[in-house]
Formats: sequence, structure tokens, C-alpha cells
Amino acid sequence: EDQVTQSPEALRLQEGESSSLNCSYTVSGLRGLFWYRQDPGKGPEFLFTLYSAGEEKEKERLKATLTKKESFLHITAPKPEDSATYLCAVQAGSNYQLIWGAGTKLIIKP
Amino acid sequence: ETGVTQSPTHLIKTRGQQVTLRCSSQSGHNTVSWYQQALGQGPQFIFQYYREEENGRGNFPPRFSGLQFPNYSSELNVNALELDDSALYLCASSIPRGHNTEAFFGQGTRLTVV
Repeated sequence: EDQVTQSPEALRLQEGESSSLNCSYTVSGLRGLFWYRQDPGKGPEFLFTLYSAGEEKEKERLKATLTKKESFLHITAPKPEDSATYLCAVQAGSNYQLIWGAGTKLIIKP
Repeated sequence: ETGVTQSPTHLIKTRGQQVTLRCSSQSGHNTVSWYQQALGQGPQFIFQYYREEENGRGNFPPRFSGLQFPNYSSELNVNALELDDSALYLCASSIPRGHNTEAFFGQGTRLTVV
């Protein structure tokens, strides 16, 4: 069964303290791995798509990487406005549906 | 702003009632997907519509049904509401092109069943 697991469930960091969020997946025929940011009570906001192992993408303080079994979202020198839940989702096989992890709640303290 | 709008933003219904949620997709997007997100969980896929036809369905009972209109807007209907249907309902629009299906979400409809 296709599965996505994110860790940790929650992460508290001081402003400026860099860290990484993990998304491990077990799917047949990965078509794409997606990272989203979600603020409380709002819909997910698209961040990145990764398609193949070794691929990396960056946006401001965020960098996403992909291996054959997991993806990391690295956050460098985070600011309080980076506080949110970060969701990982995969698309597999011939189905267009996204399979989601439960998310990592990131809290950045000033 | 993604251009995907959902209405209403909040809704309170009684168990056993029926509800209709609406979604306007981003301009040019012909595919709409609906997700249910319980508190503290990732979204769960309900179904997807492509050019007015259902294009895939998740593990939800038949009382969850939908429509897509010629302008690609969509409705999610839920009959015989249960307490466990309380959740944030998300609509996402996209254009399937090869393997690239970046989905853009609306702000969601918070449904509370009492």
C-alpha cells in the first residue's frame, strides 16, 4: 500500500536555527513528490515538486531534496513567519491523486 | 492567492442533513480534486473531476458525490451527514500535463456536524 510518513510531528526552533524535515515514502512508481505549506485554517500552499532522485529545489530559506525513499525539506536561518505545518504528498502510478503525510508543525520562536 | 475559491468558508449542519460545497477552479484549469482534512491530519483524497467526468475516487462512501460544470467549477455533495464528516474540505485545481500535476488549493470549507 502506498504510504507517506513525515517526521518529526512537531519541531520547535529558535529564530536562525537551521534544521530539516523528513518525508519518507513507500509507493509504486513515483511520479512526483510535492511539498506544501499550510497555515492554520487555510488551504495548502504549493512550494516544490521533485520528480527524480538527486533533484534539488530552492526557494528563499527552503531547500527540498529527493532520494529513492525520502525527501528532506531543509530550512536555513528560519524566521518566525516560517512557522506553519509543512505537508509532503506523492503522486504514484497512473493515478493523479495525491497521497499525503500528516505534516510537520514547525514553530519558530523569536 | 491561487485563484481557487471555495464557498462557504464555514458551515454548521445537523447530523442526517445534506450539504453542498462549491469550488471555482483557477482560470484555465480543467481538473478539480476534493480532499477531506481532519484536524491534525493530512488531506484525504475524495475524488477528482476532469472535463466533467469523475477521474478517480478515494475510499469514501457513495453519500459523497460531486459534479463538475462546463466552466470547470465543481460541487461536493454529502448526504446523511455524520459527526465524523466534520473536517476542512479542500478543493484543488490543476492541469494534468504529463507527470506534472501541481495542484493549487482554495482556502477550504470548515464543516461542523452537530
